[in-house]
Amino acid sequence: AQSVTQPDARVTVSEGASLQLRCKYSSSGTPYLFWYVQYPRQGLQLLLKYYSGDPVVQGVNGFEAEFSKSNSSFHLRKASVHWSDSAVYFCVLSAGLLSGSFNKLTFGAGTRLAVCP
Amino acid sequence: EAAVTQSPRNKVAVTGGKVTLSCNQTNNHNNMYWYRQDTGHGLRLIHYSYGAGSTEKGDIPDGYKASRPSQENFSLILELATPSQTSVYFCASGDNWGVDTQYFGPGTRLLVL
Repeated sequence: AQSVTQPDARVTVSEGASLQLRCKYSSSGTPYLFWYVQYPRQGLQLLLKYYSGDPVVQGVNGFEAEFSKSNSSFHLRKASVHWSDSAVYFCVLSAGLLSGSFNKLTFGAGTRLAVCP
Repeated sequence: EAAVTQSPRNKVAVTGGKVTLSCNQTNNHNNMYWYRQDTGHGLRLIHYSYGAGSTEKGDIPDGYKASRPSQENFSLILELATPSQTSVYFCASGDNWGVDTQYFGPGTRLLVL
């Protein structure tokens, strides 16, 4: 069975500060991992994805994430946040083709980020 | 980038009534998905489809039907709406059987009174 845990329901940071949003996953097969962002009253938009290779992946708007197989983690980072980064961030896991699960995605509960001026 | 639209954007329904949520995508993706989003649960998969004429049950299909009449359109149907189905519903599309990026619509807010 697959699962994704985002331990922080809400994170508040000051504008210009660094950011880390935590994500832990559990997967019986090769994990394919995504971070999506949801701005108020909008659908989800892809920030970045990890399939294999370099464990640090770059995304849009200065976001990056680091995959750790030993820690079963896929934490999201940003060096300096802007007020416009305020949104809900979802860590998402796919088991992929070989699992036979037809690319079904497992979502974390989300972390609401508030950036204060 | 894929364009996924949903209608209506907001809907108020009465208990026991029929509700149809529509989704349209213009990038010729084979796969389409319906999710609901509730506080504390992230998104949960209701139904999905891998092409016109096909529908499959997701993780929480009870109380919902789906219809995929064409490559572009995927509907979610609540035959007898209940207050527990009050939620935000998202449609998504993707183009690979395996691992692909899913593109999401803007969502439909449904309130069942």
